[in-house]
Formats: sequence, C-alpha cells, structure tokens
Amino acid sequence: GAVVSQHPSWVICKSGTSVKIECRSLDFQATTMFWYRQFPKQSLMLMATSNEGSKATYEQGVEKDKFLINHASLTLSTLTVTSAHPEDSSFYICSARDPGTSQETQYFGPGTRLLVL
Amino acid sequence: SQKIEQNSEALNIQEGKTATLTCNYTNYSPAYLQWYRQDPGRGPVFLLLIRENEKEKRKERLKVTFDTTLKQSLFHITASQPADSATYLCALPTSGTYKYIFGTGTRLKVLA
Repeated sequence: GAVVSQHPSWVICKSGTSVKIECRSLDFQATTMFWYRQFPKQSLMLMATSNEGSKATYEQGVEKDKFLINHASLTLSTLTVTSAHPEDSSFYICSARDPGTSQETQYFGPGTRLLVL
Repeated sequence: SQKIEQNSEALNIQEGKTATLTCNYTNYSPAYLQWYRQDPGRGPVFLLLIRENEKEKRKERLKVTFDTTLKQSLFHITASQPADSATYLCALPTSGTYKYIFGTGTRLKVLA
C-alpha cells in the first residue's frame, strides 16, 4: 500500500527559531499533499494544500508567511514553521493522495510532534 | 457551515462485543464518507470509504453504513479485540475538492 513518511518524528526548539518538516511519498508520486495540525484531543485541521510545481493554497486563518510550504518534487513536500513560538507547539501531519490507486483516499504520514520552548 | 459531530466521549466495551460509533453531519451532502483509525501519537490510517449510493460497506470485522436522509454514518466493529482500541475519525470531502473535514473522533477502548 501507499506509504508516506515524515521527518523528523519529533522536534524541540527554542522560540524564534525555524523548523523544517519533510513529508515524502515512498512508493508513489503525489502531485498533491496536505498539511494538517492537530492539538490534543482535537480534530485534524487542514492548514494547506501543497501542489507540486505551484504555490500552496492555505486555509483561512493560516499565515502563509509563517508556515512556508515547498513541494519540490512529486515525492517531497516540506513545511517550515518560521520564527516558531510556544503556541505553534502541536502535532503536524501530512497526507498525500495516490491517484494511481484511489482518487479519494489520503495516506497519512506518522506525524511530527513540535514543542517550542 | 459544514459540521461533523462524533461522540467525543470515550466508548468502553467488552472484548467480543460489537462497537458502534456514530458520525453525524449537517449543512452537507457529501458524495462519500471515510473512516480512519488513529493511534496515540500517530497519523490516521484509512479504513473504509462509503459512497452516497451505498447503504453498507464491509471489510473483515468492520461495517459502515451511510444514511444520507439522516445525515449519519455508523461504524461497527464486530467481535472487538483489545487491539481495536484507538480513536476512530470520520472524514468528509468538501464540495468539489479532495480536501477533507474531520470529526473530532471517538476513542474506543476494548476491555479484555
């Protein structure tokens, strides 16, 4: 089945620093990837849609200058949290569609736990 | 606005029994609905997709129903096992896109 990986699995950083999270589709090409954020005991909230070769589209209320997304290739999307602050501490999860198997199903990465001190 | 409701309270059931989880939605007419499993500290894992013209879908011990009149989906796990303990999320696509809205999930605990 389709596999999506994320790196790192967890990161602790100081307030004001930037953190990059990678999302890779391991055995399929993903023209579209999605980035979610999940706070404890809450639902996944879509942050942005990452499109290979074009700009990401952000959901309402998500600062595009703070959460930089780069979809450099058909298998890699990166999310950079710039000038991170404690309120950015959360669980970040990416997902990707594999049009070769299913248009609708999203395959999720294992998530990245970010803690900003 | 589109809204999805899942019972946020944890559901505890005895091993071997059938677990039934509910997903209700409003202001919405999705063409399909999906169920995912999420373990603590992990990303969701896709389980089942059911389309609006399907009343029921099965996969091994899992069964999903989709009632577009009631705007409700039921997710059943038969012969439940402790390994089924997890949070189960329902997700619906926003109209005309592959973007999804997720429910808050229901935490299931199967007691041995």
